[in-house]
Amino acid sequence: ETGVTQSPTHLIKTRGQQVTLRCSSQSGHNTVSWYQQALGQGPQFIFQYYREEENGRGNFPPRFSGLQFPNYSSELNVNALELDDSALYLCASSSGLTDTQYFGPGTRLTVL
Amino acid sequence: GEDVEQSLFLSVREGDSSVINCTYTDSSSTYLYWYKQEPGAGLQLLTYIFSNMDMKQDQRLTVLLNKKDKHLSLRIADTQTGDSAIYFCAERGASFQKLVFGTGTRLLVSP
Repeated sequence: ETGVTQSPTHLIKTRGQQVTLRCSSQSGHNTVSWYQQALGQGPQFIFQYYREEENGRGNFPPRFSGLQFPNYSSELNVNALELDDSALYLCASSSGLTDTQYFGPGTRLTVL
Repeated sequence: GEDVEQSLFLSVREGDSSVINCTYTDSSSTYLYWYKQEPGAGLQLLTYIFSNMDMKQDQRLTVLLNKKDKHLSLRIADTQTGDSAIYFCAERGASFQKLVFGTGTRLLVSP
């Protein structure tokens, strides 16, 4: 059974640029959630996708957007990057809306 | 509102027991989780407990839940140096699927 994978591992961007992060869910999982973890903090919920539809959103501006594909993989897009967007972005998959979430290794984004 | 709090740091000697504490505010929490994060890595699920239980044991790990006081603890028996990491408590409410995390407790195990 393949676990949750994310790409890329690390990314460096400059302010104002746009970035796309990718996540492949664990086999058999149809739900993907994205979290932002700033240095020294716990993860903060960004949004969740279930069967290709956004199913809930945390307190993040609209420049954070996402997609889920028919194979349940997902993308997180961030436009107009700001310095405060520097963080570890974590993807988690689950086999249903209320089931246990399993996390990938994360993508470390640095905005200069 | 939802809030989860943890103490920031715990230091123990190898072979001792470690107890990491967590308090939460959401009385509608359904599941409570413990995740482990090693440096530069993602979150590893350690264990979880349903809100109608008061204890769960899984090998070296014991989770205690006091729902009245909204207090959760994780006890690690015979702590090893490989247990050194940051431990996150997280809760999931009844009406939504997101996890709300604490700020994490850094556990340092010395030989």
